Amino acid sequence: EVQLVESGGGLVQPGRSLRLSCAASGFTFDDYAMHWVRQAPGKGLEWVSGISWNSGSIGYADSVKGRFTISRDNAKNSLYLQMNSLRAEDTALYYCAKDILPRTGIAVAGDIWGQGTMVTVSS
Amino acid sequence: DIQMTQSPSSLSASVGDRVTITCQASQDISNYLNWYQQKPGKAPKLLIYDASNLETGVPSRFSGSGSGTDFTFTISSLQPEDIATYYCQQYDNLLTWTFGQGTKVEIK
Repeated sequence: EVQLVESGGGLVQPGRSLRLSCAASGFTFDDYAMHWVRQAPGKGLEWVSGISWNSGSIGYADSVKGRFTISRDNAKNSLYLQMNSLRAEDTALYYCAKDILPRTGIAVAGDIWGQGTMVTVSS
Repeated sequence: DIQMTQSPSSLSASVGDRVTITCQASQDISNYLNWYQQKPGKAPKLLIYDASNLETGVPSRFSGSGSGTDFTFTISSLQPEDIATYYCQQYDNLLTWTFGQGTKVEIK
C-alpha cells in the first residue's frame, strides 16, 4: 500500500524550532519529488516547500523562506522539514505529498498525501 | 509570483445539478493546472491534472477544461458524496505550487 505518514508536530513556543518527518512506503521514494503543504485551522491549502527526487531542486514559499529547510534521505525513504524561528502564523496541519511524475525537475501535482501532523505555535 | 483567483468561494446546489467552479491565473500558465477535492478532516485528493486529465479512479462526472489563464472545473451531476471543498493548484518549472482559495460545495 502506498502510504505517507507524517510525525514531529506538537506545541512549540514562538521563536523555537521543530523538525517534521514524513515516512514513505509502497513506492520507489527516490523517483519522486516531494512536498510539504500546510493548512491553518479553518483555512485553505498553502504550499510550503518542495524538493526534487535527487535533491537537486528545492523551492520555498516566500512566507517560510530563510526559516524552513526541506531535505530528504532516500536511503531511509524519508522527507523532512526543519522549521526554525517559528511564528504564530505557522500554526497549521502540515501534510507531505508525493508528486505524480517520476524523475522530473518540476513539481506537477500531489497524487498521494499523508494525514498530516499538527503544529501549534503559542506561548 | 503567479496568483490564482478561484470563484465562487462557496456554492449550494441540489443533487443532480451541474456545478461549475472557475480558476483564473494572473498570467499564462498553459495547462499547468490541477484540481483537488478535500472532505472535512481528510487530506486533499487529486481529481484532475494538467487542466483536463482525470486521475485514475475518479468518477467521470468530474471534468476540467481551459488553458492559458482561465480554467473551469465541472461536476456534471452533483452527488451527496461530492460535498467538499475544491481547490485549483498551478505549477511551474521552479518546483513551486500555488493554490486557489478554495470553493466549498454544499447540498441545497
